[in-house]
Amino acid sequence: DQQVKQNSPSLSVQEGRISILNCDYTNSMFDYFLWYKKYPAEGPTFLISISSIKDKNEDGRFTVFLNKSAKHLSLHIVPSQPGDSAVYFCAASERSSNTGKLIFGQGTTLQVKP
Amino acid sequence: GAGVSQSPSNKVTEKGKDVELRCDPISGHTALYWYRQSLGQGLEFLIYFQGNSAPDKSGLPSDRFSAERTGGSVSTLTIQRTQQEDSAVYLCASSLWGLAGIGGELFFGEGSRLTVL
Repeated sequence: DQQVKQNSPSLSVQEGRISILNCDYTNSMFDYFLWYKKYPAEGPTFLISISSIKDKNEDGRFTVFLNKSAKHLSLHIVPSQPGDSAVYFCAASERSSNTGKLIFGQGTTLQVKP
Repeated sequence: GAGVSQSPSNKVTEKGKDVELRCDPISGHTALYWYRQSLGQGLEFLIYFQGNSAPDKSGLPSDRFSAERTGGSVSTLTIQRTQQEDSAVYLCASSLWGLAGIGGELFFGEGSRLTVL
């Protein structure tokens, strides 16, 4: 049972344009969502997060949007840079259940072309 | 170093052998996680340790998999009688408090790549 889904395995955008990565979840108990970035041969690194009490969180070029009714979140990167090329994972947790367990999606490989 | 350290970085073993993977979390972090990433797949949750609480083992795929965390610090993931489908990158992560968003950001190691022939 895939509770967190990233249906697009890959995305290619031109440098300077917007990258939009999508994520869907099925568990309505999830109340905290995160995005991680992973370069080859490295561990994932935290990028940005959002609580279910918000619908938007912005940090520099990165913005995460949450649509609770649709159980959907997205990560916007603008403007995209070649250094953003990596695998992006969304993750979700039931923080209210007092667990730190994070459930990850399958990842989306972003390629930003110069 | 200051980050999460995993060893070995690469392990090749024969089917049926036992393997141990080690994780040194960031000092002071109370929560420790094991995930694995099979080829072309996402990060699959395996097990989660939080302080002195009983670990959340709900992600372990079979009873061939076990993990320990000694003294609230170093953790060892053991896979007995390895199978070819166990081939994956095994990632360890630690966090300060273990609750996402409350000092709960996960810091990952570089992973241990396991190949079962």
